[in-house]
Amino acid sequence: DQQVKQNSPSLSVQEGRISILNCDYTNSMFDYFLWYKKYPAEGPTFLISISSIKDKNEDGRFTVFLNKSAKHLSLHIVPSQPGDSAVYFCAASGINTNAGKSTFGDGTTLTVKP
Amino acid sequence: NAGVTQTPKFRILKIGQSMTLQCTQDMNHNYMYWYRQDPGMGLKLIYYSVGAGITDKGEVPNGYNVSRSTTEDFPLRLELAAPSQTSVYFCASRTPTDNYGYTFGSGTRLTVV
Repeated sequence: DQQVKQNSPSLSVQEGRISILNCDYTNSMFDYFLWYKKYPAEGPTFLISISSIKDKNEDGRFTVFLNKSAKHLSLHIVPSQPGDSAVYFCAASGINTNAGKSTFGDGTTLTVKP
Repeated sequence: NAGVTQTPKFRILKIGQSMTLQCTQDMNHNYMYWYRQDPGMGLKLIYYSVGAGITDKGEVPNGYNVSRSTTEDFPLRLELAAPSQTSVYFCASRTPTDNYGYTFGSGTRLTVV
């Protein structure tokens, strides 16, 4: 049973518009959520995170929203740029338990068209 | 500051061969992890370690072994390679109190034929 799901394998947006990537989770024990960005032939790089005690975290063009009751989080990128084209992974962790192991979704490939 | 270094970057193994994937970090991180990523899939945890001398199994440990003799090194051993182990392997590290996620290596692409 997949505990972290990214239901959209791909997303295409125009440069300058908003990109919204979605993620759902099933395990109520998760208390920290992260987004990673991955370019081909590279390792994932950390992008932004949010604790379960918050519902929003912002870092420049990137904002993550958390809806605990719906067990849903989303990553908003505004404005989108061609360099944002990559695979985005959602991850969830129990920070204070189980060695901070993260469970990953399958990823969403974002393409930003010039 | 090199971060997390993985070697080799690519490797082709024959069925039944063995190899060790190397992972070294220079950030003095206590926690280290091995993940594998199959095509179109997310990352699955193979093994992890919370410090030198301490290792534990993750979600998909079968066919693999690890050791952690120092804080810096966390090698992953494949015994009797099988085609199902064809994947991209990522090593990662973090501090126990670091809320900024993992630092990943660049990966090892392994093909078993």
